Amino acid sequence: QVQLVESGGGVVQPGTSLRLSCVASGFIFSHHAMHWVRQAPGKGLEGVAYIWFDGSNKYSADSVKGRFTISRDNSNNTVYLQMNSLRAEDTAVYYCVRDGQRGFDLDYWGQGTLVTVSS
Amino acid sequence: QSVLTQPPSVSATPGQKVTISCSGGSSNIGNNFVSWYQHLPGSAPKLLIYENNNHETNNRPSGIPDRFSGSKSGTSATLGITGLQTGDEADYYCGTWDSSLTTMVFGGGTKLTVL
Repeated sequence: QVQLVESGGGVVQPGTSLRLSCVASGFIFSHHAMHWVRQAPGKGLEGVAYIWFDGSNKYSADSVKGRFTISRDNSNNTVYLQMNSLRAEDTAVYYCVRDGQRGFDLDYWGQGTLVTVSS
Repeated sequence: QSVLTQPPSVSATPGQKVTISCSGGSSNIGNNFVSWYQHLPGSAPKLLIYENNNHETNNRPSGIPDRFSGSKSGTSATLGITGLQTGDEADYYCGTWDSSLTTMVFGGGTKLTVL
């Protein structure tokens, strides 16, 4: 069965960096685009970053542009989110999500990893 | 402020039907596929409904009962839930790609209460 397991979350100070990882299993990873979606406390879902199946194209939300970078390693079935210059407003649960390839349908979600940015 | 607009809350009694609206624009719902998600507290969001290349807006992944349905018209979409159960209490989100923002966008979420 499809599994997405995130890691790398934690408590960090403003201005520092963190890298999230997501290991995928149960499907052909290199056939699917991947997303990172976050949910801040008491808020709704926000699309953070998106990467094509082969890594050739990447997109990120304006709120994180220039600070966050999505990447993937298809040989290790892993997608990453490098987060630099973290701010308090980046505090959220970060979900790794598979794109179902039927038109931006996000069909499998990891359990999420909590990132807390606080001094 | 979310790009897509949903009502903050809806409520109904068990067995009834409820609809949740999602309003957007030409850069998102109007020209891209819409999907709907159920988010139960403490769990990961779950895909309920997706639109496909034939512009059929009522596709469900395996395991999702046909009590859940979707529709779309222009720049708005609607999720319908019939035969409401207490287990349907959750937050519901619409989502789609925004071609101008080049990112996934979601509604602010609608909290469903089954009284």
